[in-house]
Amino acid sequence: QQQVKQSPQSLIVQKGGISIINCAYENTAFDYFPWYQQFPGKGPALLIAIRPDVSEKKEGRFTISFNKSAKQFSLHIMDSQPGDSATYFCAASSTNAGGTSYGKLTFGQGTILTVHP
Amino acid sequence: DAMVIQNPRYQVTQFGKPVTLSCSQTLNHNVMYWYQQKSSQAPKLLFHYYDKDFNNEADTPDNFQSRRPNTSFCFLDIRSPGLGDAAMYLCATGRGFIYEQYFGPGTRLTVT
Repeated sequence: QQQVKQSPQSLIVQKGGISIINCAYENTAFDYFPWYQQFPGKGPALLIAIRPDVSEKKEGRFTISFNKSAKQFSLHIMDSQPGDSATYFCAASSTNAGGTSYGKLTFGQGTILTVHP
Repeated sequence: DAMVIQNPRYQVTQFGKPVTLSCSQTLNHNVMYWYQQKSSQAPKLLFHYYDKDFNNEADTPDNFQSRRPNTSFCFLDIRSPGLGDAAMYLCATGRGFIYEQYFGPGTRLTVT
């Protein structure tokens, strides 16, 4: 029940195209859903995050869509650029997981995005 | 700039030889996390501190220990590294229930 399932495992997109990565969760106590971007040899960087009281959040070319009833959320990258080529992780967290959770993140398996010029 | 710093960036150790990785932060965050990330996998939480309150994940091997002498610093000690412990070790900080975690650049550990 703690899992977050992410798909696809890898994604190839042409420059200017739309990249879409999907995640699904089971634990209805999750109430925070961030996306992290990780370049090779670097630590993950927080990209964008959403809470379940909204269905969509947009920051620049990055949009999170959230479907609470389906327990799914997705990342859309508009006008994808070669510089967006990286591994993307979705994650989820809960404030109600207990006194020692302290923002513990459950990560998806990751998606390797390649944007061709 | 406020940030999370990890030293060294690359560490080579011998099988069974203790090694210590360090993390420091200028964000003044209450919580510090240690993750292990193997190639093509998601980060796996080893343990975390809320202030000085230590929380170990149930499946973290006893071989891994941690110390947090003050708010700014946290150390990961691997008492007897095995070949399977070769990985990227990531430190992250957060403000607890505010959720956002900020990761350092990681330390790549090689075990020979």
